[in-house]
Amino acid sequence: GAGVSQSPSNKVTEKGKDVELRCDPISGHTALYWYRQSLGQGLEFLIYFQGNSAPDKSGLPSDRFSAERTGGSVSTLTIQRTQQEDSAVYLCASSLGARSYNEQFFGPGTRLTVL
Amino acid sequence: AQSVTQLGSHVSVSEGALVLLRCNYSSSVPPYLFWYVQYPNQGLQLLLKHTSAATLVKGINGFEAEFKKSETSFHLTKPSAHMSDAAEYFCAVSLIQGAQKLVFGQGTRLTINP
Repeated sequence: GAGVSQSPSNKVTEKGKDVELRCDPISGHTALYWYRQSLGQGLEFLIYFQGNSAPDKSGLPSDRFSAERTGGSVSTLTIQRTQQEDSAVYLCASSLGARSYNEQFFGPGTRLTVL
Repeated sequence: AQSVTQLGSHVSVSEGALVLLRCNYSSSVPPYLFWYVQYPNQGLQLLLKHTSAATLVKGINGFEAEFKKSETSFHLTKPSAHMSDAAEYFCAVSLIQGAQKLVFGQGTRLTINP
């Protein structure tokens, strides 16, 4: 398909373990975003990549969270030493350009459960 | 800082009735405005967006929204609800200049009664 894909769709991990979540944006989209959706906090922005520019990391909740985007395409969100409060659905989105009126296309999300 | 308030976390209407989902925003400058819909176990899908001077915006599936600058509102409506409209709806804003991130409201779960 031509949409944003994310893997895995579900991830169950134990407290203290590290996890990696993957996002494949739509081909040709230069902008990529990560959001988190949780019961208590709703939908929150985490990080934004645009081309080769330095990412906007202003939404990352702690230094346990990091993300990278290799070759301007695939992105990986890494959570180190997971905590129970990290349990949420992690959504990735991509858009054609860097302008804020560009539609963001969302993937189906990765549901993370930390036991 | 921007913020979005959606009035009513749950809205229930009968099939064929008017749907009205309320959204108010707070921003130092008029932002771009969006409505997204999320069906169960799926990602978000754009319904419509306001990025120009027009006050009435038409979207997919018969939805439309009216931008009222004086009221800082962007309410979503549909004249006649269909069972397939049952989903969660999110209002979001983004700054015209600067950060491209979306700031979302808390969401409104729409239930359609037969």
